[in-house]
Amino acid sequence: DQQVKQNSPSLSVQEGRISILNCDYTNSMFDYFLWYKKYPAEGPTFLISISSIKDKNEDGRFTVFLNKSAKHLSLHIVPSQPGDSAVYFCAASEGRGQNFVFGPGTRLSVLP
Amino acid sequence: DAGVIQSPRHEVTEMGQEVTLRCKPISGHDYLFWYRQTMMRGLELLIYFNNNVPIDDSGMPEDRFSAKMPNASFSTLKIQPSEPRDSAVYFCASRRTSGTYEQYFGPGTRLTVT
Repeated sequence: DQQVKQNSPSLSVQEGRISILNCDYTNSMFDYFLWYKKYPAEGPTFLISISSIKDKNEDGRFTVFLNKSAKHLSLHIVPSQPGDSAVYFCAASEGRGQNFVFGPGTRLSVLP
Repeated sequence: DAGVIQSPRHEVTEMGQEVTLRCKPISGHDYLFWYRQTMMRGLELLIYFNNNVPIDDSGMPEDRFSAKMPNASFSTLKIQPSEPRDSAVYFCASRRTSGTYEQYFGPGTRLTVT
């Protein structure tokens, strides 16, 4: 049973528009979340994080929103750029543990 | 900084052979993680070390898999004997204790067992 779900395997967005990537989790004990981006033939690279004491974290064009009651988080990319085309993974952990559970990923394509 | 280094980048071997994957974490990082990525199961944690000591190996699929970290700058993941279902991309990642929880991933080793 997947504890971290990314129900959209793929997403296409026009350059300059907003990209919204969604992530749902089932374990209510998860309290720290990360987003990673992965290009082909490379390892995942860290994008942005959020802890459960916040409901929003922003870093440049990237904003992550957390809705604890719905067990849902989303990553917003504004404006989207062709270089953002990659697979995005959501990951969650419990307490200050090291065991991050990763979602299956969403492939984002930003069209010029 | 060189980042996490993994070798080899690609490995093709026959069923039954021993396979050894290598990882050099970022200098100063005291956590090291081994992950496996497959189409079916996605990215899953196999084992992680803290200060060269294995902390949690509950993700290691079976006894054919073993991992060691003899010093702070080197770790190996060994599969003996290898099977076709072990074909996957294996990632090594590291992080330091302080600061945020982000892990820095290596480029991965693509293993194909025929």
